[in-house]
Amino acid sequence: ETGVTQSPTHLIKTRGQQVTLRCSSQSGHNTVSWYQQALGQGPQFIFQYYREEENGRGNFPPRFSGLQFPNYSSELNVNALELDDSALYLCASIKYNEQFFGPGTRLTVL
Amino acid sequence: GQQVMQIPQYQHVQEGEDFTTYCNSSTTLSNIQWYKQRPGGHPVFLIQLVKSGEVKKQKRLTFQFGEAKKNSSLHITATQTTDVGTYFCAGSPTSGTYKYIFGTGTRLKVLA
Repeated sequence: ETGVTQSPTHLIKTRGQQVTLRCSSQSGHNTVSWYQQALGQGPQFIFQYYREEENGRGNFPPRFSGLQFPNYSSELNVNALELDDSALYLCASIKYNEQFFGPGTRLTVL
Repeated sequence: GQQVMQIPQYQHVQEGEDFTTYCNSSTTLSNIQWYKQRPGGHPVFLIQLVKSGEVKKQKRLTFQFGEAKKNSSLHITATQTTDVGTYFCAGSPTSGTYKYIFGTGTRLKVLA
């Protein structure tokens, strides 16, 4: 296993609600990326955090936001959920350019 | 925007046959990574290629990075049922960052 954990495993929300997903990185990994993976597709880069600062963003609207904490754990927040936000959300902690993915959170928006 | 495409989308092979997936980027890449994702699982890092024309081997897996650093391939010799999964390439367009654009993936099924 990668040592990266995510919670919760599964989540069901309704349209318009807000959600917070959590990720605990491997010890010593100060960079984390978040990805959205729709069914049957490759992961899409949402954003990356390095030492608590956003370090790049993909083509996702501002209602997708994040935080990284001093212990390098992180959160992904999504406001005003839409049906298309239903996906597997993956975080990846990074060291020496290798990405260690967590098991993901499966989000279903009804 | 930048795109990374993979072909084929699906591949069914008999156990023991070889398998190749190809990855093509619309722009030059700083480096490329390959991942394997088992059904219901998460991507698992396989390898990173950095140099133009680089070739790396891991047992039955051979990875190549094109001379122009816009394409890459993964070849599996004598597939086994444990090779089942989706193989993704992920390209980084910018040196010194960890931002990756994943390809569309190739789903491999191995028939025993």
